Amino acid sequence: QQQVKQSPQSLIVQKGGISIINCAYENTAFDYFPWYQQFPGKGPALLIAIRPDVSEKKEGRFTISFNKSAKQFSLHIMDSQPGDSATYFCAASDSGANSKLTFGKGITLSVRP
Amino acid sequence: NAGVMQNPRHLVRRRGQEARLRCSPMKGHSHVYWYRQLPEEGLKFMVYLQKENIIDESGMPKERFSAEFPKEGPSILRIQQVVRGDSAAYFCASSPNGQGAVYFGEGSWLTVV
Repeated sequence: QQQVKQSPQSLIVQKGGISIINCAYENTAFDYFPWYQQFPGKGPALLIAIRPDVSEKKEGRFTISFNKSAKQFSLHIMDSQPGDSATYFCAASDSGANSKLTFGKGITLSVRP
Repeated sequence: NAGVMQNPRHLVRRRGQEARLRCSPMKGHSHVYWYRQLPEEGLKFMVYLQKENIIDESGMPKERFSAEFPKEGPSILRIQQVVRGDSAAYFCASSPNGQGAVYFGEGSWLTVV
């Protein structure tokens, strides 16, 4: 049973465009939702995270939108750049338990120049 | 501040040998997690430790795998009698308080030949 599902599986965007990656979760106990960026041969880097008490959080070009009733959250990358080309993982955890992260399978983003 | 430090970065072992992967968490962090990433897949939780205690090992294979986080020194993930299916990237992560933000190291890539 996959508790965190990402879509699409891959994404190609033109430079300057908006990249949108979606994530759906099943466990209603989840209360922390981070996004990670991973380049080949590197570890996942924490990009941005949100908790259910807010519907949107913005940090620079990255925005998380959160819909608690639909159990969905999404990452928006504004003004996408070739350097944003990477694999993006959404994750979720229950901080009332032990905060172990449950990850989606990841999506590969390619930003064309 | 140094990030999460993992070594070795790359490790080659023959079938039946032992692999030891080490992780030093970020300064001030006492919560350590180990994750495994297989090719083209997301990260799978293995074990969560605090100093001298295993908090959650629900993701650890029942045999051949063990983890520790001693009072002094790094956390160690030990894989005995490695098999080809153990070939993967193993990531260590740490957090300051077991809630919220979790930061990953650059990973240890194990290849079993």
